[in-house]
Amino acid sequence: EAQVTQNPRYLITVTGKKLTVTCSQNMNHEYMSWYRQDPGLGLRQIYYSMNVEVTDKGDVPEGYKVSRKEKRNFPLILESPSPNQTSLYFCATHQGGPDTQYFGPGTRLTVL
Amino acid sequence: GQNIDQPTEMTATEGAIVQINCTYQTSGFNGLFWYQQHAGEAPTFLSYNVLDGLEEKGRFSSFLSRSKGYSYLLLKELQMKDSASYLCAANTGFQKLVFGTGTRLLVSP
Repeated sequence: EAQVTQNPRYLITVTGKKLTVTCSQNMNHEYMSWYRQDPGLGLRQIYYSMNVEVTDKGDVPEGYKVSRKEKRNFPLILESPSPNQTSLYFCATHQGGPDTQYFGPGTRLTVL
Repeated sequence: GQNIDQPTEMTATEGAIVQINCTYQTSGFNGLFWYQQHAGEAPTFLSYNVLDGLEEKGRFSSFLSRSKGYSYLLLKELQMKDSASYLCAANTGFQKLVFGTGTRLLVSP
């Protein structure tokens, strides 16, 4: 079964405490992306990756880092989280064709 | 700049037809996605239009006019389960998607 998993699904943390949200896919897709979704702003792309070791900034990359050491994993790293990073985060993958894009279940992050 | 506009909210009655409009202005454009998103869940793919015209897929159809920077999603024979947010997104190239803020559709009995 095609699957994109994210962990954790829910996280409450405090300002400045480094955290990582993991994303893993079992479809061997080359393309992976991270989005954040905020009320009134819609989904905004944070970073994307076209293959192993190839990543690029999306529209709102400030305060985030990513890595793509293996094809299946694309973790999102917040080195020093701040309250304005409180949001719902989605990882997505696809393999070139637009209808093969899959979103993960989402991670709801609260930074106090 | 990048700009995607769609109505914030729409209401309709079960069994009716509803059209959700989307206008876009982007620096690059390869195609237009529509996604459905139920509250608290991940978006799911509905359609992707690259060429002008109407594409029909069951109860859902999507239309694109590249010259007008305009798309719409048409939902027929509305069902209660169609109550959701509908997201319009432009593929601006190099795997970059720009999303609208979404249209919340409420279907009433």
